Amino acid sequence: RKEVEQDPGPFNVPEGATVAFNCTYSNSASQSFFWYRQDCRKEPKLLMSVYSSGNEDGRFTAQLNRASQYISLLIRDSKLSDSATYLCVVKSGGYQKVTFGIGTKLQVIP
Amino acid sequence: DAGVIQSPRHEVTEMGQEVTLRCKPISGHNSLFWYRQTMMRGLELLIYFNNNVPIDDSGMPEDRFSAKMPNASFSTLKIQPSEPRDSAVYFCASTGRGLSSYEQYFGPGTRLTVT
Repeated sequence: RKEVEQDPGPFNVPEGATVAFNCTYSNSASQSFFWYRQDCRKEPKLLMSVYSSGNEDGRFTAQLNRASQYISLLIRDSKLSDSATYLCVVKSGGYQKVTFGIGTKLQVIP
Repeated sequence: DAGVIQSPRHEVTEMGQEVTLRCKPISGHNSLFWYRQTMMRGLELLIYFNNNVPIDDSGMPEDRFSAKMPNASFSTLKIQPSEPRDSAVYFCASTGRGLSSYEQYFGPGTRLTVT
C-alpha cells in the first residue's frame, strides 16, 4: 500500500462548482499534513497546512480525520484559475522529510 | 529574495552520457531535497540533506545516481551513465529553520530527456 494515496482524476468541474478531494495515508503516526498546488509545467507550491481542527483560507477548506486517516480539500465557487494539480503531503518521522501523493488534477471549465 | 535556483532548466543527452544537475537553495535554509517527477510515479524523494549531511538516500534508484552538498549553498545530482528511463523532471527544494520549517520551497526543475 502506498504511503499517501490520491485519486489522480482528472476532475472536470464547471466554474462556480464546489469540488472536494480526499487523500488517505497509511502511517497512523503521521504528524503533519499539507496541500500543495502544482500548475502545469511548474514547481509545486504550498497551498495550505491541514490542522486537526480544520482550517479555512478563503474558498479553500482543509480537514483532517485521524481516525480514518484521511485529509480533504474543499474548493468552493471554483475559478478557472483553480485548474491545477493538488498534491497531498504527509510528514512522518524525524527531520523535515515529507511524502507526496501523486496529485489530483482539477480542470475548471467555463 | 531569490528562490531556489536550478540549472540547467532543460537537458537533452544520449544514453550513456553523464548528467549533472545543480541546485542553489534559499540562503539560510538548512535542509535540501532532490525529487524526481514522472507521470506514472509522481513526485519521488531521491535524497535529502540536513546541514549539508545526507540524511536519507533510500530513494536513490541505483548506483548510477549520486548527490553531493559540499556547502550550504550548493548541491549536485549526478547520473552516470544515464539511461532513457531516467527521463523526468528533477526538482530541488529547500526548507528553513523555525516554526514554518516544514514548507518546502521548490526550484523550477530540470527537465531531463535521455535518448
